[in-house]
Amino acid sequence: GAVVSQHPSWVICKSGTSVKIECRSLDFQATTMFWYRQFPKQSLMLMATSNEGSKATYEQGVEKDKFLINHASLTLSTLTVTSAHPEDSSFYICSATLGQSRVWDTEAFFGQGTRLTVV
Amino acid sequence: ELKVEQNPLFLSMQEGKNYTIYCNYSTTSDRLYWYRQDPGKSLESLFVLLSNGAVKQEGRLMASLDTKARLSTLHITAAVHDLSATYFCAVEGGGSQGNLIFGKGTKLSVKP
Repeated sequence: GAVVSQHPSWVICKSGTSVKIECRSLDFQATTMFWYRQFPKQSLMLMATSNEGSKATYEQGVEKDKFLINHASLTLSTLTVTSAHPEDSSFYICSATLGQSRVWDTEAFFGQGTRLTVV
Repeated sequence: ELKVEQNPLFLSMQEGKNYTIYCNYSTTSDRLYWYRQDPGKSLESLFVLLSNGAVKQEGRLMASLDTKARLSTLHITAAVHDLSATYFCAVEGGGSQGNLIFGKGTKLSVKP
């Protein structure tokens, strides 16, 4: 399957600082990427949909000014957690789809995830 | 609101036994996904079920989809310890394709 690379795998930051997480599709172009958040022992919750060249679409309850998403190219989306606080500590996972032209191309491929710890 | 419900949420089983995980969803969807997650890791795609009646098998795992009943099952045959993980089902939530709504996951523990 297609490969999605996420970086960094883990990060520890001080409260009040900002952290950037990168999500890259390595061997395909992804017009759409998704960002999920997973708290310990819980399921994945969609945070936002990232579309290349346009503003991200955020799910209800997700602060767009706190979780900045930029999808500058067809292979890269970034999530910046601004002014991070301990409650932002979580596992963040991105996914990307090949496209929408064929049914099987809509399968989502997931990055390795980033464990963020805010101290 | 689209809901995806899995049961059981926790499953402890002995090696060699069979069991089934169930995934119900609340809206029409002809596509369902099963993923495996190991502790501290991301998701590994297991199955993509694309149509009513679809059945797929990989090793000791077999998944099926009944779109009329809005039900998918993940059947485990003769479980082994290596299958211990958390299993998630997911359906598309609408909007952009690839936008997935996940069940709460089933934590499977296979004991010798």
